[in-house]
Amino acid sequence: DGGITQSPKYLFRKEGQNVTLSCEQNLNHDAMYWYRQDPGQGLRLIYYSQIVNDFQKGDIAEGYSVSREKKESFPLTVTSAQKNPTAFYLCASSPKNSPLHFGNGTRLTVT
Amino acid sequence: GIQVEQSPPDLILQEGANSTLRCNFSDSVNNLQWFHQNPWGQLINLFYIPSGTKQNGRLSATTVATERYSLLYISSSQTTDSGVYFCAVRKGGGADGLTFGKGTHLIIQP
Repeated sequence: DGGITQSPKYLFRKEGQNVTLSCEQNLNHDAMYWYRQDPGQGLRLIYYSQIVNDFQKGDIAEGYSVSREKKESFPLTVTSAQKNPTAFYLCASSPKNSPLHFGNGTRLTVT
Repeated sequence: GIQVEQSPPDLILQEGANSTLRCNFSDSVNNLQWFHQNPWGQLINLFYIPSGTKQNGRLSATTVATERYSLLYISSSQTTDSGVYFCAVRKGGGADGLTFGKGTHLIIQP
């Protein structure tokens, strides 16, 4: 069954801890993306990757890091430097010049 | 960067009504998508429509690229149409990310 899998669905962490969110796709898409959504707001781009071993900062990259060691995987690490990490995180993928498709998201709560 | 404005921000309708949602953008685009976000947060692709008109059942969309706006039409609304509708655009080619509007929150009452 093809698609984009984000795990876990809910994640709880203590302040000061780094946390890594998983995103896997089996659609053979070249590009992958991470977005953040806050309550009542649209989505904002954190990082994106057009190809393996390459990625670019989006609009709100501070306090986040990513890696793209495999085409299928694009994990996002929320570091302790991110001042307001509690949010809904959505991963997407797409072929070049094509529509984006989204996973079901991970809700991160940091207390 | 490119600006995306959606209107209205909120819309409450009775079941069976029709609605029009608008998306204005500040620059030329080569990708425009409409999404529906359901109450569980899932983003559903509705249309990929950088220009022209498309229809899918009770939903249709029109993008007038030269005038920098897109419209999403919902006819004969059902309660399951409730949720937030987002417009998102990309200016250039390649694989740059989409820029999202703040959405239209639609509530369909029985």
